[in-house]
Amino acid sequence: GAVVSQHPSRVICKSGTSVKIECRSLDFQATTMFWYRQFPKQSLMLMATSNEGSKATYEQGVEKDKFLINHASLTLSTLTVTSAHPEDSSFYICSASDLADRYGYTFGSGTRLTVV
Amino acid sequence: DAKTTQPPSMDCAEGRAANLPCNHSTISGNEYVYWYRQIHSQGPQYIIHGLKNNETNEMASLIITEDRKSSTLILPHATLRDTAVYYCIVRVPNTGNQFYFGTGTSLTVIP
Repeated sequence: GAVVSQHPSRVICKSGTSVKIECRSLDFQATTMFWYRQFPKQSLMLMATSNEGSKATYEQGVEKDKFLINHASLTLSTLTVTSAHPEDSSFYICSASDLADRYGYTFGSGTRLTVV
Repeated sequence: DAKTTQPPSMDCAEGRAANLPCNHSTISGNEYVYWYRQIHSQGPQYIIHGLKNNETNEMASLIITEDRKSSTLILPHATLRDTAVYYCIVRVPNTGNQFYFGTGTSLTVIP
């Protein structure tokens, strides 16, 4: 089945620095990937839709200049949290679909970001 | 996409069937019902999906009412590893659109 790899699984960074999270579709091409954020004991909240070769579409209330998304190839999307602050500490998850959309979307294993 | 309503939590004895309900009374004719689960600190995992017929796979069964306004996910023999948050989502496939997650049901399988 479709596999989505997300890296790193865990990262700790200092306040004010930037962190990049990678999301790769390993055995299929994904023209569209999605980025979610999940705070403790809450559901997944969609942040943005990442489209290969074009600008990402952000959900209302998500700062596009803070959460930079790049989808330069059909198998890789990256999320960069710029000038991270402690309130950006969260669980970030990406997802992608194979072209047949046979099982909905496959999700990555998530990245636990802690900003200190 | 239509909204769904699920009970916030449920318990199930190990080895027994877990029946997780979901209401989607505003579902439209071309929307499918998807079920995912999320084990703590992992990404969501696909379980099953269907349009109007009942579906079964190696993980679970999905029972959709005739009017399609509700569905039930059945885990036939729950194990401790089935403890997770279960999400019911309705969506039109093959449109490139997103999954919007509700609050889900936190299932605890008790030894």
